This record gives sequence, structure tokens and C-alpha cells, in this order.
Amino acid sequence: GQQLNQSPQSMFIQEGEDVSMNCTSSSIFNTWLWYKQEPGEGPVLLIALYKAGELTSNGRLTAQFGITRKDSFLNISASIPSDVGIYFCAGQFSNDMRFGAGTRLTVKP
Amino acid sequence: NAGVTQTPKFQVLKTGQSMTLQCAQDMNHEYMSWYRQDPGMGLRLIHYSVGAGITDQGEVPNGYNVSRSTTEDFPLRLLSAAPSQTSVYFCASKRTGGTYYGYTFGSGTRLTVV
Repeated sequence: GQQLNQSPQSMFIQEGEDVSMNCTSSSIFNTWLWYKQEPGEGPVLLIALYKAGELTSNGRLTAQFGITRKDSFLNISASIPSDVGIYFCAGQFSNDMRFGAGTRLTVKP
Repeated sequence: NAGVTQTPKFQVLKTGQSMTLQCAQDMNHEYMSWYRQDPGMGLRLIHYSVGAGITDQGEVPNGYNVSRSTTEDFPLRLLSAAPSQTSVYFCASKRTGGTYYGYTFGSGTRLTVV
């Protein structure tokens, strides 16, 4: 099946630093999405990208849908303690959505 | 509040027991799905449904059954629990069509099989 490679696996950063994470795939997707999961909860949608090359922002978050349709990145600027959590990329083709393994973000005040 | 409701939140089963994980949504979403989440592996699709009466297998369907008799409910049945099914299970739903493809997730069921 389609595999998503998400990196890095974990990040330990200082409050105020910028963060970058990415996802790559061997398959093409029609939609890329980025989710955040906090302990004891399900993932919550942060950003959805619908076409190749699209760059979308949501506050301090910016994500891009790669031109090849096989990759996407998420940037978080000026991190704050509440950014802590696990960030997942997801690629969707038709009714099939696949998730990356997640990037665990720790922000030190 | 509108959303996806999963019950129970926690469950311990003995090997060989069967049980049903419940999922209900009140957003009139056509599409519902079940994922399992294991450490370091992200979420893997078990089964999904594009509407009442229609179900299909995902990436890891073995050992699980689903049915979709109503738009609102999508229960997941474990036929004979095995330790390998110890995981956190998430139900999710979304509308089909339109430009919004994001899922709404439930808060999960943490299952331990001993």
C-alpha cells in the first residue's frame, strides 16, 4: 500500500524557534492534510491542501503541497509551549487516506 | 456538541473474547472510518464506509468486522481478540464531495488484550 515517510520523528526546540517537518511518498495524492494530536485526544485538522504547488497558512502554520504531488511540508513559526503534540501528515487519494508516523514536538519554555 | 462519539474510552479484554467498539456522529457525514494507532506507526485504516449499507476494507482489516445500517453509526467488532489488537482505535467521519476533505476524529478507545 501507499507509504508516507514523515520526518523528523521527534523535535526538541526552544520556545520562539521555528519548526519544519515534511512528508514524502512514493505515490501521488490528490489532497495533503496536516493534523495535530494532543494526549488522550484524536487528531485535529490544521491545514488542508488541494492542489500541487498550493501554499496555505493558518496563523503561525504554513504548509505546502509539493509540485510532484508526492510530498508536503509544514512550518511552524515562533513556537510556543502549546504547540507541543504529535503532528501527522496525511495523503488522500479517492476514499483512501494514509497517515505518516508522526512528528513529536516538544517545546521548552 | 456535534462531533464523533466513541465508547468505551478504555477496555481490557482477554484473548479470544469478542466486543464491539461504538462510534456515532451527528454531522450527517456520509463517510466514516476506523483507524488503529500504534506507537511509531501513525494511523492505519481498518475499514471504511461511504454510506449506509456500504463498507470496504482498509489497510489492516483482518480480525475486524463492520456494518453501517444507519448514517450515524459505524460499530467495529472484534471477533476473537488477540494481543496484537492492543491499540488505540479512532473513528472518523467526513462529508463526501465538496472541497473540504478533512476528517473529524473521535477521542479514541484504548484497548488492551491480555
